[in-house]
Amino acid sequence: KAGVTQTPRYLIKTRGQQVTLSCSPISGHRSVSWYQQTPGQGLQFLFEYFSETQRNKGNFPGRFSGRQFSNSRSEMNVSTLELGDSALYLCASRTGDLLNTEAFFGQGTRLTVV
Amino acid sequence: GENVEQHPSTLSVQEGDSAVIKCTYSDSASNYFPWYKQELGKRPQLIIDIRSNVGEKKDQRIAVTLNKTAKHFSLHITETQPEDSAVYFCAASIRTSYDKVIFGPGTSLSVIP
Repeated sequence: KAGVTQTPRYLIKTRGQQVTLSCSPISGHRSVSWYQQTPGQGLQFLFEYFSETQRNKGNFPGRFSGRQFSNSRSEMNVSTLELGDSALYLCASRTGDLLNTEAFFGQGTRLTVV
Repeated sequence: GENVEQHPSTLSVQEGDSAVIKCTYSDSASNYFPWYKQELGKRPQLIIDIRSNVGEKKDQRIAVTLNKTAKHFSLHITETQPEDSAVYFCAASIRTSYDKVIFGPGTSLSVIP
């Protein structure tokens, strides 16, 4: 069974631009969560999608948004990029409940904002 | 507020010794506590988890203990090996208006051969 796939692996963007990251979950997993990982802040939860609906969200500004398609693939969009958005963005898929099931992480997309 | 503290931030042990990482959480309603291991340049992977109806869980050299009254839980690795070197993250579930899993800041474990 293929694992969680994230594309692209690396991105360099300029301040003020927007970016879209993609995540394909493990086949059969309907929950996709997104996390921002930075050396200073660790792993921070952005949001979770389940069956094309945002089911849960963290404490990030509205510049961070996402969506999920009928095949469970998810995209995350960041608008008006800031230098502080430079991070590793990880997505994780689950079989079900966010609170009780294992998260299977992708390799991540490393975003650098210059 | 929603917070998971984790100590120590770095830990070095000799091969064969034990390693202990401790976490505390703030939400008394938390009931799911996973631990993830992230090797350098790789994705985090679940190594063990525990639910609030259990006080201890073991899986070979790894064990997790939970003290709900004190709101803390710990990861114990016995007979450490060089391949245990990684960053370890604890996490706790939070159920408010939204469900979340809050991660601790991580512990960088180095096992010295």
